Amino acid sequence: DSGVTQTPKHLITATGQRVTLRCSPRSGDLSVYWYQQSLDQGLQFLIQYYNGEERAKGNILERFSAQQFPDLHSELNLSSLELGDSALYFCASSVALGGSGRSGYTFGSGTRLTVV
Amino acid sequence: DAKTTQPNSMESNEEEPVHLPCNHSTISGTDYIHWYRQLPSQGPEYVIHGLTSNVNNRMASLAIAEDRKSSTLILHRATLRDAAVYYCILRDGVGTSYDKVIFGPGTSLSVIP
Repeated sequence: DSGVTQTPKHLITATGQRVTLRCSPRSGDLSVYWYQQSLDQGLQFLIQYYNGEERAKGNILERFSAQQFPDLHSELNLSSLELGDSALYFCASSVALGGSGRSGYTFGSGTRLTVV
Repeated sequence: DAKTTQPNSMESNEEEPVHLPCNHSTISGTDYIHWYRQLPSQGPEYVIHGLTSNVNNRMASLAIAEDRKSSTLILHRATLRDAAVYYCILRDGVGTSYDKVIFGPGTSLSVIP
């Protein structure tokens, strides 16, 4: 157990639907990151939140949105789903206080999304 | 965003040392060098990180070139459980909490029994 909790572990849904992925960061970590990993692809950075505020954005589609709540958990919302959205979605957390590079990321075990 | 380049794949014999290289010629003075590894169907796992000096932990050693434009992750005795994709990334160490990190394709390490 890495300390980062992602739910659900598996999700199967139909095209056009909307889903929400949830992430609870490791205790004490203020930054949350979302990554997408398609089959045989690398990790694609989607978005970063720090203490409730959006801080960095990657190649996140307009159909996707995220937020970080006061208790620091984060949700990634995926809407109007397409077959190509099928992927592993990872959440990571980091202390990210005054020098994010000084501490490592802790990744969750991911949510496997299958769009049919 | 500072980038890294790594060989696509490497092979090692079991119980032999493995040296995984990473080039980061555009590294800035405040960038930390981080290594992660990802086993099949699992989330990436932190391995080690450093700034200028070589670093050791229970998993591996990190050797950083004097000009910091390259680094090498050293697994002292490869085991079958070390077969994974290894990622080398750079993370800014100056506090702005801005942290858009790009993971490249990494190096796929195969360990031969």
